[in-house]
Amino acid sequence: SQQGEEDPQALSIQEGENATMNCSYKTSINNLQWYRQNSGRGLVHLILIRSNEREKHSGRLRVTLDTSKKSSSLLITASRAADTASYFCAFVGQTGANNLFFGTGTRLTVIP
Amino acid sequence: DTEVTQTPKHLVMGMTNKKSLKCEQHMGHRAMYWYKQKAKKPPELMFVYSYEKLSINESVPSRFSPECPNSSLLNLHLHALQPEDSALYLCASSQVEQSNQPQHFGDGTRLSIL
Repeated sequence: SQQGEEDPQALSIQEGENATMNCSYKTSINNLQWYRQNSGRGLVHLILIRSNEREKHSGRLRVTLDTSKKSSSLLITASRAADTASYFCAFVGQTGANNLFFGTGTRLTVIP
Repeated sequence: DTEVTQTPKHLVMGMTNKKSLKCEQHMGHRAMYWYKQKAKKPPELMFVYSYEKLSINESVPSRFSPECPNSSLLNLHLHALQPEDSALYLCASSQVEQSNQPQHFGDGTRLSIL
C-alpha cells in the first residue's frame, strides 16, 4: 500500500500551545503536501514541500521533510480553536502524475 | 466557500437507482479528480481527468462511470451501487496534472446507499 501513516491519530491541546503531527511513507516521493479537513467539508491545501527541501514555513505552519527517514512533520504554532480539524499528509510518487496518496490523518482538537 | 462546487450535497439512493454527481470549477484548471472517503479514513483516488481525457482509473468498479463533458465540468454516474459504496465523494481540480500542483477540493457529496 502507498498510504502514509500519521501519528498521533488524535491530539488535544489548549489554545496557544503548539501542535506537532508526524507522517511516514514508504515510497520515493516527488513532493509532500499537507491538507486540512474541517468536519463535513472538503480538504484545503496548506503547504507543499519538495523532495529536495528540508524545511518550509507558511505563517504559523512549519513543515520538515527527511527523505532518508521517509518522514515529515507539521508544526502549528500558537494554536487557535479554529485550527480544530483533521490534518492529512499527502504525497505524489515519482511518476510525475498528480495522483495523491494520503496519510491516515491526525484529528486535532484545540480547546479554547 | 470553496471554488469547486459539488452537487448535490447529500444523496440517498437505492441499489437499483441511477444517479449522477456533479462537479464544477471555473478556475481554468485542466485536471480534475474524483476521490472516495469513508468515515474517519483518508480520501482514496478514483479517477483523474487531464484536458478532458481520462488519465487514471484506480481500478474502480464499472458501476462508477466518470464523464468530463468540458473543462469546467466533471460528472460521476452511479448505477447499481452497493451499501459499501456509501461514502463522501470528493471532487478536486488542479491547474494541470503535474505533481507540484496543489489540488482544490469541493465539499463533497455524502452518498448513502439503502
